[in-house]
Amino acid sequence: DTEVTQTPKHLVMGMTNKKSLKCEQHMGHRAMYWYKQKAKKPPELMFVYSYEKLSINESVPSRFSPECPNSSLLNLHLHALQPEDSALYLCASSHTRSTSGKYEQYFGPGTRLTVT
Amino acid sequence: EDQVTQSPEALRLQEGESSSLNCSYTVSGLRGLFWYRQDPGKGPEFLFTLYSAGEEKEKERLKATLTKKESFLHITAPKPEDSATYLCAVLTGSGNTGKLIFGQGTTLQVKP
Repeated sequence: DTEVTQTPKHLVMGMTNKKSLKCEQHMGHRAMYWYKQKAKKPPELMFVYSYEKLSINESVPSRFSPECPNSSLLNLHLHALQPEDSALYLCASSHTRSTSGKYEQYFGPGTRLTVT
Repeated sequence: EDQVTQSPEALRLQEGESSSLNCSYTVSGLRGLFWYRQDPGKGPEFLFTLYSAGEEKEKERLKATLTKKESFLHITAPKPEDSATYLCAVLTGSGNTGKLIFGQGTTLQVKP
């Protein structure tokens, strides 16, 4: 099973709202990722968690706050977003260098976020 | 600076007309090259990983190859259901996870 699940599928929020995106995997992966994808562009890396610790933050604004409660779950907390933050938010997971020689990342279906 | 370039940006084929997509890269330390397929509004679907020059992988009508500077995704006798955007990505960097750097993608349309 190579499934990564994400909820919700669609989210519309105002600029003053607080919302959260959720991601879950049960492949035993110890690395999890958040990406942002705008229309007709490739995914852009936002955050990387390795063994439930934040290892990479690609200079993402603080209105995006990631959280990794355990090895299977990844959250992205959203607050005071701007309309330009509207995009497809993708979660991915993979093995790490220390657990496997295979690093392929498996992506979830994404959450389509619209900020009004 | 690490860079991944895909060509062409868009490709239109007739059903059964074989072709190749190109992914050229310049990276300081290649840990792996990945091909993904992405349908509109969905997450990328993993296709292949290539780790060393000369390596080849096949899956149905798709075959991926890797040299020291580029990778090709060959599509043999494509069908309309092969229409999608194909993304190439390279894994670079140190540490336990590294970073994926994506190319801009090739949008393939296969007409019946």
